[in-house]
Amino acid sequence: DVKVTQSSRYLVKRTGEKVFLECVQDMDHENMFWYRQDPGLGLRLIYFSYDVKMKEKGDIPEGYSVSREKKERFSLILESASTNQTSMYLCASKGDTRWEKLFFGSGTQLSVL
Amino acid sequence: GDSVTQMEGPVTLSEEACLTINCTYTATGYPSLFWYVQYPGEGLQLLLKATKADDKGSNKGFEATYRKETTSFHLEKGSVQVSDSAVYFCALHTGNQFYFGTGTSLTVIP
Repeated sequence: DVKVTQSSRYLVKRTGEKVFLECVQDMDHENMFWYRQDPGLGLRLIYFSYDVKMKEKGDIPEGYSVSREKKERFSLILESASTNQTSMYLCASKGDTRWEKLFFGSGTQLSVL
Repeated sequence: GDSVTQMEGPVTLSEEACLTINCTYTATGYPSLFWYVQYPGEGLQLLLKATKADDKGSNKGFEATYRKETTSFHLEKGSVQVSDSAVYFCALHTGNQFYFGTGTSLTVIP
């Protein structure tokens, strides 16, 4: 079975902490994405990456950074967590075929206190 | 810019009722269209897709037709089950980006 694995299902952090959310895919996909999901707002793209060491800003990159040192791993970093970053974070990956779907991880529910 | 607008929820239906969740889109070029479903406690998974105008996607009794003239991709099911309770997202794919609607929560009661 193809898999996108997010390292934590639930995470509680304090304001100002540096937070790492990890995502690993086993499908050799070129493209990886980080979304946040909030009630009434749907999914909003934070960052995506189309190749190792490449990254592109999505719609809401402020307060976040990403790292893609290896093809299978895409990390989302909150440099200094704030309460308005409390959210569900979803990682996804996709191959390069035009019509190919996104494969999602199960999500990380982050609470910043 | 490209965007998706879908019906606000939540929607509550009795088992065996008909379902329609409306979705319209704005896009330049020729997007492909998707419906994703999110069951409680899980990530999103693909329900169905259509890659060009007049294509019909179908899966698990759900259907949606890509209508270019009305820029719509409404999700339909003739008889819903309790197990269909989930959040449904309409999405379009163009270039290397996906654009998602806000999601519609469906609850089916026995």
